[in-house]
This record gives sequence, C-alpha cells and structure tokens, in this order.
Amino acid sequence: QVQLQESGPGLVKPSETLSLTCTVSGVSISSYYWSWIRQPPGKGLEWIGYIYYSGSTNYNPSLKSRVTTSVDTSKNQFSLKLRSVTAADTAVYYCARGLVTTVTKRNYYYMDVWGKGTTVTVSS
Amino acid sequence: DIEMTQSPSSLSASVGDRVTITCRASQSISTYLNWYQQKPGKAPKFLIYGASSLQSGVPSRFSGSGSGTDFTLTISSLQPEDFATYYCQQSYSTPYTFGQGTMLEIK
Repeated sequence: QVQLQESGPGLVKPSETLSLTCTVSGVSISSYYWSWIRQPPGKGLEWIGYIYYSGSTNYNPSLKSRVTTSVDTSKNQFSLKLRSVTAADTAVYYCARGLVTTVTKRNYYYMDVWGKGTTVTVSS
Repeated sequence: DIEMTQSPSSLSASVGDRVTITCRASQSISTYLNWYQQKPGKAPKFLIYGASSLQSGVPSRFSGSGSGTDFTLTISSLQPEDFATYYCQQSYSTPYTFGQGTMLEIK
C-alpha cells in the first residue's frame, strides 16, 4: 500500500532553514500532487502547498516567500525547505498525497494518504 | 482566503448516538469540501470528498452532505473508535483551508 514518511532535523535555530524530505513507497512519485501540511502544538491544520510530479507548484501565500519544494523521482522523494524560521514555525509537519477525482465535470482535490508527521521545533 | 468555521468546537456524546458536525464556508464552495478524522498523536485520516463521497474503506455510518456554504458530517451510530477530532477542508480554491476542528469526546 501507499506509505509516506517524513524525515529531517527535529530542531532548527531561528533564522535558519527548515528542511524536510518525504519518502514515498508503494507508488511512483511520477504522478499525483504531493503536499505539505503543518499543525502547531494544540492547533489546527495549515496547508503549506503542493508540488505536482512535473514540478509545478502552488504555495500558501502566507508562506510563499519562504517556501521551496522539489521532487526527486530517482529516489521517489519530495522535499520542503522553509527559510528564515521563527518560533511560529514550530509544528508537526505532514506530507500527503494529493489526488484529483473528476465527478460530473468537477475536479475534486483531496489528500488521501498522509505520513505520520515529524515534529520540528524552532529554538536556539 | 476562504475561511472555514466548524461548530461545535467540541461535543460530548455516547456510543450509539447520532452526531452531526457543521462546517460553514465564508463564500460558496459548491461541493468542494473534504472531511478528515484525527486521533491524538496521529496523522489525519481522509474520510469524505466532494461533500458526500465516502473514501473507500470508511464505514458507512459516516456520511456528508451540503453545498454552497453549509455542510454537515454525520455519524449515524457512534463507535468507540470514532472519538477524535474532525476537520473540514475546502478544495474550491488555493490556499486550501481547514476548519478549526471539532473534538468529539466520550460522555
């Protein structure tokens, strides 16, 4: 079955760059949308953005100036970089697969498979 | 951004109860509405897309309805494993946004 696993440093210093990788197994990354979502401690979910396997991206405007994503098809991985982090970026970061299903000419996007999440703390 | 508002924020119920959670969008989103379930310390689990289409493998006691700005998630007969936090999410336009969550607790 399809599985996703986040990896990366659990502690990042303020003003530095947060870097995470999501390893995909059970399906080729050369299809679908690949998303990042985060959840600050005790709070709700925030969509960070997605990258299509072709390389096209769509980011949340609230983070767009600091976010970069990429896909490595040879490793079946995709990655997130968030620059100039502050304590407000402390969160559990999830990667997820995005699917589009067409029903009566409507294209429905949803995130059907999620990684377990990785906690990133921003602190000196 | 489209704001999603869920009510109630928390809800106490018993096994076997019928429960309804409401999600309201700040503008019309047609039926571009998804639902997720999250248990403590776990990743969200996808339940419903298109406001009412159940993901494969999700029990039929879960159902969704609505269009435009008002949506509901109904659990027809609560089971012990259903106690969790539920989130709605709009996919009408980016940035995709989530409701603040509804925590369903055991009475």
